[in-house]
Amino acid sequence: NAGVTQTPKFRILKIGQSMTLQCTQDMNHNYMYWYRQDPGMGLKLIYYSVGAGITDKGEVPNGYNVSRSTTEDFPLRLELAAPSQTSVYFCASSQLGQPPGYTFGSGTRLTVV
Amino acid sequence: GDSVTQMEGPVTLSEEAFLTINCTYTATGYPSLFWYVQYPGEGLQLLLKATKADDKGSNKGFEATYRKETTSFHLEKGSVQVSDSAVYFCALTLTGNQFYFGTGTSLTVIP
Repeated sequence: NAGVTQTPKFRILKIGQSMTLQCTQDMNHNYMYWYRQDPGMGLKLIYYSVGAGITDKGEVPNGYNVSRSTTEDFPLRLELAAPSQTSVYFCASSQLGQPPGYTFGSGTRLTVV
Repeated sequence: GDSVTQMEGPVTLSEEAFLTINCTYTATGYPSLFWYVQYPGEGLQLLLKATKADDKGSNKGFEATYRKETTSFHLEKGSVQVSDSAVYFCALTLTGNQFYFGTGTSLTVIP
């Protein structure tokens, strides 16, 4: 099983550019999440989704957008990249009713210069 | 609000040493508690969990006991190996669909 797949693994953006971080899961999980991981700051929730067509803001949503048109895919969009968005981004999925816990992707390291 | 506080690192140990990484939590209800491990260049993986007071989670020689009276979930291992070098995150959830993570503790085990 592939689990949660994130692309790209690395990206350098210039200030003001846009990009989409892709996330796909093949476990038929209803719940999907985007986190950012800053050094010494742990993980902060950006957006999450409880099913196709349903998304909600997390702790740090400003500067990001998401969509969930299918169960499998949960892309994260940065419209106007800023240096403050330099971080490692993790996508995760979970399914309530199964042993609680996330399955994480391997991350996208984004640098905005 | 709900939060997790874990000991700051980095932690450096010799192989076969005893490991403790402290974790305490604040929660408005009765959370489930987790330890995740992140190996270099990878995402987080669930290491162990405990869903109610006095439960002990264990996996790969690691253990942690859910202590309600001290609001703690300390991670322990009796004899660490070089392959245990990673970053360890304590986490909690009340709802099962939103987690709160600690800041992570980096462990390096030297031969």
